[in-house]
Amino acid sequence: DSGVTQTPKHLITATGQRVTLRCSPRSGDLSVYWYQQSLDQGLQFLIQYYNGEERAKGNILERFSAQQFPDLHSELNLSSLELGDSALYFCASSVGSTAPTNSPLHFGNGTRLTVT
Amino acid sequence: DAKTTQPPSMDCAEGRAANLPCNHSTISGNEYVYWYRQIHSQGPQYIIHGLKNNETNEMASLIITEDRKSSTLILPHATLRDTAVYYCIVRVAVNNDMRFGAGTRLTVKP
Repeated sequence: DSGVTQTPKHLITATGQRVTLRCSPRSGDLSVYWYQQSLDQGLQFLIQYYNGEERAKGNILERFSAQQFPDLHSELNLSSLELGDSALYFCASSVGSTAPTNSPLHFGNGTRLTVT
Repeated sequence: DAKTTQPPSMDCAEGRAANLPCNHSTISGNEYVYWYRQIHSQGPQYIIHGLKNNETNEMASLIITEDRKSSTLILPHATLRDTAVYYCIVRVAVNNDMRFGAGTRLTVKP
């Protein structure tokens, strides 16, 4: 058990809808990362937050947004969903932000999103 | 940011050592090498990381060449449960994010 909790485990929704994925980091971790894993694209980095502030952005679509709350949990909001958004969405957490790079990321078990 | 090159797949006999190579020829001096694995569709699992020196933990050993341009992850006694995709990642020092490549699919055979 990594200590990172993601809810829900599974989500089925229709095109055009909006969903929210939730992540609780490990106790003491200040950074939260979101990744998307589609069948044909591997693990794609979306966005990173540190102590409530956005730190790095990857391949995140404009229809997607995230935030990290004062209690350090994070939410990933996906709107105007398309069939291609069907994927596994992983959250990870680590202690640091820009430093040190010596702190591993620990991943949750993901949310499987199916858009029909 | 530094990129890594890994073979797409490898096989290993159960009980034997699995040696997974990774090239990272453009790595910078303050960037760490990380190894993760992903079993089926579970979340990636942290294995080990290092900067310059060789590292060992209960899961594996990491051998980094002196010029730091390549590394090898060693699973000393592979079991069937070690079948997974193994990712070698160079951690970008500037923003501390972690970008995954395609990895190596290791299949441990009986």
